[in-house]
Amino acid sequence: TAGITQAPTSQILAAGRSMTLRCTQDMRHNAMYWYRQDLGLGLRLIHYSNTAGTTGKGEVPDGYSVSRANTDDFPLTLASAVPSQTSVYFCASSRLPSGGYGEQFFGPGTRLTVL
Amino acid sequence: GQNIDQPTEMTATEGAIVQINCTYQTSGFNGLFWYQQHAGEAPTFLSYNVLDGLEEKGRFSSFLSRSKGYSYLLLKELQMKDSASYLCAVTDSNYQLIWGAGTKLIIKP
Repeated sequence: TAGITQAPTSQILAAGRSMTLRCTQDMRHNAMYWYRQDLGLGLRLIHYSNTAGTTGKGEVPDGYSVSRANTDDFPLTLASAVPSQTSVYFCASSRLPSGGYGEQFFGPGTRLTVL
Repeated sequence: GQNIDQPTEMTATEGAIVQINCTYQTSGFNGLFWYQQHAGEAPTFLSYNVLDGLEEKGRFSSFLSRSKGYSYLLLKELQMKDSASYLCAVTDSNYQLIWGAGTKLIIKP
C-alpha cells in the first residue's frame, strides 16, 4: 500500500514562477491537509479539505491555493513563488475531518527552495 | 492565542528512561497527539490522549492532565533508533490540530 505520495521530492524554483505540488492518497481518507515545516517552528497548516469538493484555509494560506476535485488528489499551487515560501511541505490525510479523533498520515514531503 | 510548549532539545542515554513534557493553551480541547519524526522524514503517529491518565503502548507511554494543560511522553529502554524529534499536537474546539515545534531527542551510547 502506497499510502500518501508527493511529487516532486525536491525542487528549486525561481522567484515569481508558479508551481504545483502534487499529493495523492490511496486510503480513501475523507480529509487531507497541506502543512509547511520550517526550522524551529511547528507544522503550520496551509489549507485543508474535509471532503472532496470542499476546501478551507489554515493558519498560513496566503500565496497558496488548493483544489479537491476527487477523494485521492489534493494539489497545492504557488501562483507566484517568493523566497519566504522556501520550506518543507507535507501533505497529510485522515479518515475523519480535521484529525479530530483519528491520526493523520503524512506523505514523505517536498523540499522547496525559492531563489 | 494558542500555544504549545515543548523543550527544544533533550539528551538521554541508551537503555535509560526519558520524559518529554508538553504544555498547551488552546481554545478548547478535543485530544492530544504525539508524533515521532526522524530527521528528513515525515511525522508518524505515536499516541492519542483525550481523557486524563496514562496510555501505555510498549516502550512508549503518554500522560494527560486536562486541568493542568499538560502532557508527557515517556520513553523506556531507550534505543539509538529513538533519536528523533517528538511533536506534541492538540486538537482545538474547531477540531484543528495545533502543533508544537517539537523536541529533538539525542540518544548517546
